[in-house]
Amino acid sequence: GQQLNQSPQSMFIQEGEDVSMNCTSSSIFNTWLWYKQDPGEGPVLLIALYKAGELTSNGRLTAQFGITRKDSFLNISASIPSDVGIYFCAGLGINTGTASKLTFGTGTRLQVTL
Amino acid sequence: EAGVAQSPRYKIIEKRQSVAFWCNPISGHATLYWYQQILGQGPKLLIQFQNNGVVDDSQLPKDRFSAERLKGVDSTLKIQPAKLEDSAVYLCASSPGASGDSYEQYFGPGTRLTVT
Repeated sequence: GQQLNQSPQSMFIQEGEDVSMNCTSSSIFNTWLWYKQDPGEGPVLLIALYKAGELTSNGRLTAQFGITRKDSFLNISASIPSDVGIYFCAGLGINTGTASKLTFGTGTRLQVTL
Repeated sequence: EAGVAQSPRYKIIEKRQSVAFWCNPISGHATLYWYQQILGQGPKLLIQFQNNGVVDDSQLPKDRFSAERLKGVDSTLKIQPAKLEDSAVYLCASSPGASGDSYEQYFGPGTRLTVT
């Protein structure tokens, strides 16, 4: 099955720095979701985006739904050690009939150093 | 609100053996999903239920995998017989939308399966 491309694949940053990651697809999506997954746990929903161009914040996290509907971006401001984990984007396609089938990205692994 | 529950958390079996996983979704959620997550990859949908009916099982290897959600609440996923490449984390997720109008999926902790 198709997977979305996320970049970077991994990143090491220092505590307090801002982080940016993105997700791109060759297909159009009409919903984007961003998840964080800690080791040994299931993905946890961070932000949901439903409209092209939409910018949504959740605390220190801000995500945008790209105008082309083929990409999305996630920013984390002032990173802290508990931000460590793998971040996945997930897109919901148009014309899926059953509506809620998500395609997941390849993940961005974030490591935060003190 | 209680989250999605899964059991067992870990399972080790030999190839050709059978295994079953159980999932209890968030109360009131009509839609339930099973995903397979291979190490280093994002989750891949295996099957989607809406209430007790199958909506999408196009990526389920039906020669060895089966799933049911008999009463529209909890669900079981079975593998019989298991192969080495089935080693993965099996995630269950649920979402509220009875008609697919809510796309926010909430995941359980997963079952880590190791096939030796």
